[in-house]
Amino acid sequence: DGGITQSPKYLFRKEGQNVTLSCEQNLNHDAMYWYRQDPGQGLRLIYYSQIVNDFQKGDIAEGYSVSREKKESFPLTVTSAQKNPTAFYLCASRTGQGIFNTIYFGEGSWLTVV
Amino acid sequence: KQEVTQIPAALSVPEGENLVLNCSFTDSAIYNLQWFRQDPGKGLTSLLLIQSSQREQTSGRLNASLDKSSGRSTLYIAASQPGDSATYLCAANTNAGKSTFGDGTTLTVKP
Repeated sequence: DGGITQSPKYLFRKEGQNVTLSCEQNLNHDAMYWYRQDPGQGLRLIYYSQIVNDFQKGDIAEGYSVSREKKESFPLTVTSAQKNPTAFYLCASRTGQGIFNTIYFGEGSWLTVV
Repeated sequence: KQEVTQIPAALSVPEGENLVLNCSFTDSAIYNLQWFRQDPGKGLTSLLLIQSSQREQTSGRLNASLDKSSGRSTLYIAASQPGDSATYLCAANTNAGKSTFGDGTTLTVKP
């Protein structure tokens, strides 16, 4: 089945550690996105990539980094510089641009700082 | 900058009731508007997508409308069921491939 796979589902980070969240899609979508969601709130854009080897900062990029070496993969690294990383992280991809563009989401990853 | 607001933040109704969820956006230069459902601890599932040239879309008991000129969209749920309990989010999508999400409306349907 086509879709977006995020792993791990749950991740615990110690203070000062970097952690990487995986996002893989087999939908052949060019554009991929990372969002952060805090309890009871909407989604905030961290980074997005329209094509391979290119990505742009979203609204809350500080303390995060990404790479886009393959069309199918868009991993997110939460660095030690991110002071409040505990949140639900959602990866998404988009069918295309223009009026027919539709966004699809993975099941999310929970990150907790311990 | 696009801003999306959803009212109310939470809604509780008895089973069988018809209900309306509201979504407003500040920049009418959108390509489409999308409604999602999110169950606790899960990702978002797309419910309906309304193109900017359309007025409404229907899927089963769900009907979404769009009024670009007033910056409003509504999601109508007919004959609500306990299984409809979830958080409903709307997103305004632009031609640049960016989406702005509302904070969602959490719906509880009581048996």
